[in-house]
Amino acid sequence: KAGVTQTPRYLIKTRGQQVTLSCSPISGHRSVSWYQQTPGQGLQFLFEYFSETQRNKGNFPGRFSGRQFSNSRSEMNVSTLELGDSALYLCASSQTAGADTQYFGPGTRLTVL
Amino acid sequence: KQEVTQIPAALSVPEGENLVLNCSFTDSAIYNLQWFRQDPGKGLTSLLLIQSSQREQTSGRLNASLDKSSGRSTLYIAASQPGDSATYLCAVIPTGNQFYFGTGTSLTVIP
Repeated sequence: KAGVTQTPRYLIKTRGQQVTLSCSPISGHRSVSWYQQTPGQGLQFLFEYFSETQRNKGNFPGRFSGRQFSNSRSEMNVSTLELGDSALYLCASSQTAGADTQYFGPGTRLTVL
Repeated sequence: KQEVTQIPAALSVPEGENLVLNCSFTDSAIYNLQWFRQDPGKGLTSLLLIQSSQREQTSGRLNASLDKSSGRSTLYIAASQPGDSATYLCAVIPTGNQFYFGTGTSLTVIP
């Protein structure tokens, strides 16, 4: 069974631009969560989607948004990029929502110049 | 808000040594706790999941314990190998809610 895939793997953007990251969960998994990882803040929860509905949202500004499609694939969007948005963005999928075992993708490395 | 701390932040041991990684959390009302490893520049690999009703879980050379009342979990690695070198993260999950991750322990096993 294929694992969680994320595209693209690397991105370079400039301040003020917007970016869209994509995540395809493991087949049969209906929950997708997004995390931001930085050296200073560690892993921080962004949001979780289950059956196309956002279940939980972390403490991030409204510039960070996401959505989930009927096939469980998810996208996250960051508008008006700032230097501090440079990070590894990780997506995780699980069969059910909440506290089920999460399986992580390889991440998207975003660099904002 | 749940705070998760991992001590030590970095650890270096010779190959073959047994070692213990520590994870502490401030709110004992957790649903479960999960240990992950992360290799440089990579995503997270799940190692062990302990549900709140369990005291420990074992997988091969790994054993994780959970003491909710004291807000602590330990990950025991037996007979360490160079391939165990990675960052180890623990994550706690309040009832039906998001994961809260610790800051991680960077482990280096010296051949």
